[in-house]
Amino acid sequence: GAGVSQSPSNKVTEKGKDVELRCDPISGHTALYWYRQSLGQGLEFLIYFQGNSAPDKSGLPSDRFSAERTGGSVSTLTIQRTQQEDSAVYLCASSSFDSAYGYTFGSGTRLTVV
Amino acid sequence: AQSVTQLDSQVPVFEEAPVELRCNYSSSVSVYLFWYVQYPNQGLQLLLKYLSGSTLVESINGFEAEFNKSQTSFHLRKPSVHISDTAEYFCAVSGPDTDKLIFGTGTRLQVFP
Repeated sequence: GAGVSQSPSNKVTEKGKDVELRCDPISGHTALYWYRQSLGQGLEFLIYFQGNSAPDKSGLPSDRFSAERTGGSVSTLTIQRTQQEDSAVYLCASSSFDSAYGYTFGSGTRLTVV
Repeated sequence: AQSVTQLDSQVPVFEEAPVELRCNYSSSVSVYLFWYVQYPNQGLQLLLKYLSGSTLVESINGFEAEFNKSQTSFHLRKPSVHISDTAEYFCAVSGPDTDKLIFGTGTRLQVFP
């Protein structure tokens, strides 16, 4: 597509439930990133996929968080047993090769855990 | 490890006034530097970037930033702001040895008429 697409745009879930957030990157972009944006805390790196290499998971805050990228394209971020502190905007970005080319961000998924 | 500090969380300014949004980075290796802008209810957009060469980089809407290696800074400036520049601005750093962008906490620019 023309841009990075994320779904859903908004998600309200009950504490303890699992959620899945989806990201469709720009076609042909080999790099895909997930960030979390919390109020007053900027953007927190979560995970990075580059081609067929093993993902960089160094930013995942706990083992309740996981992500996969199927076929080098669509990515799903899964949060298990959601907690209220997981409430944030989850942003996905893709890049044609590496960060020097700049990222293209999606509009994000606003997750609210009640 | 790389890090970014944006000292000002909010910058209020009147329309047509000049503005500077400060950004300092920490890195032991060569860096790439970026400014991203997030307009209300929109995603982040790349505003400008420094990779190498000329230390002064410009965007199409009148913003500029200067890479200062000795001061480890990449401040964003505009000589005359518009109401439409109201947004959150994020400074970010990466480098040839890492593809992760490390972001600052953002500066909210509020332009008043």
